[in-house]
Amino acid sequence: AQSVTQPDIHITVSEGASLELRCNYSYGATPYLFWYVQSPGQGLQLLLKYFSGDTLVQGIKGFEAEFKRSQSSFNLRKPSVHWSDAAEYFCAVGAGDKLVFGAGTILRVKS
Amino acid sequence: DAGVTQSPTHLIKTRGQQVTLRCSPISGHKSVSWYQQVLGQGPQFIFQYYEKEERGRGNFPDRFSARQFPNYSSELNVNALLLGDSALYLCASSGREAPYEQYFGPGTRLTVT
Repeated sequence: AQSVTQPDIHITVSEGASLELRCNYSYGATPYLFWYVQSPGQGLQLLLKYFSGDTLVQGIKGFEAEFKRSQSSFNLRKPSVHWSDAAEYFCAVGAGDKLVFGAGTILRVKS
Repeated sequence: DAGVTQSPTHLIKTRGQQVTLRCSPISGHKSVSWYQQVLGQGPQFIFQYYEKEERGRGNFPDRFSARQFPNYSSELNVNALLLGDSALYLCASSGREAPYEQYFGPGTRLTVT
């Protein structure tokens, strides 16, 4: 069965520091992978997606993610975090007719 | 362009009651999916509809049902509400060209007391 693991429940980084959020997936075929961001009480906003091709994908708000098939990973990165990046981040894999989400990582930004 | 819209924003129901949630997809999108997000968890897939037909169903009881209308809007119905149905219900739409690329609405917060 398809699954997504986000090992870190909470991460705290200082404003201006770099960020990496981890995501590991389990899926038999070539995966479609996504990162979404959710602010408190809000819906999900698509940050970036990987379907095929270049394994380093760029998204909105300065985020990027790298697909590593050998590690079944799709980690999200940002070189310099802003206070407005504080939110919950979800990794997801497309499976059949649905998206399968991880449990999320809550990002806190300290000034 | 308008994004995915959902109504109502919030509602409070009593155990045993029935509720209907509504969703309008992005213009041009013919697929609508419903997800349930319980506090502290990631969204869980409930249904997907494409061209008014059910394309997929998650592991939810028969108390949950949905339909899609000719204008591609959708309703999610939940009967015999339980306390555990309290959650944020998210609707997402996608186009035929990229069915996995789902765009989400703001959600409906359902509280069952």
